[in-house]
Amino acid sequence: DVKVTQSSRYLVKRTGEKVFLECVQDMDHENMFWYRQDPGLGLRLIYFSYDVKMKEKGDIPEGYSVSREKKERFSLILESASTNQTSMYLCASSFRDGGLGEQYFGPGTRLTVT
Amino acid sequence: GQSLEQPSEVTAVEGAIVQINCTYQTSGFYGLSWYQQHDGGAPTFLSYNALDGLEETGRFSSFLSRSDSYGYLLLQELQMKDSASYFCAPHTEGFKTIFGAGTRLFVKA
Repeated sequence: DVKVTQSSRYLVKRTGEKVFLECVQDMDHENMFWYRQDPGLGLRLIYFSYDVKMKEKGDIPEGYSVSREKKERFSLILESASTNQTSMYLCASSFRDGGLGEQYFGPGTRLTVT
Repeated sequence: GQSLEQPSEVTAVEGAIVQINCTYQTSGFYGLSWYQQHDGGAPTFLSYNALDGLEETGRFSSFLSRSDSYGYLLLQELQMKDSASYFCAPHTEGFKTIFGAGTRLFVKA
């Protein structure tokens, strides 16, 4: 059974804090993605990675960075959290070729920045 | 530029058939996926069309016309549990997938 797990379901942080969101997949997928989801805006791609140590900017990378040191783990880092980063964060993974089809999503982390 | 359009809300009666349309404009196009997301849940994959035509998976079917940059998801024999948000997601260059705001489907008894 395929699985994508995220480190926290709910997280509350203060403005200016450095925040780490972790994602782990057990499917040996090459591709991993970070999205944020906001009401009325759908899912927006922040960063993605198609291989270890590789990363590509998505549509809204400002204020975020990522790390992929191991194939199964993809971390999203908020260097200095701000209130406009309050959102639901979703991690996903897919096979390199299968990335043209199915992405598997984690349960999401609801981050609140106060 | 890139754009994606699908209705924001659709309401239908249990047992009926509903069609959710999607039009897209992307830089490079490889195929169109559909995802379902229940409130509080993660998106789950429903279907993928790489070629023109209809793909059927149980009660759900998905259609693609590449020349028209158009697709739709057809849900038959609607059930209350089908109440959810549905996203069409075109796949573009560089492994990227575009998700829009989605269509909220309400199924009434």
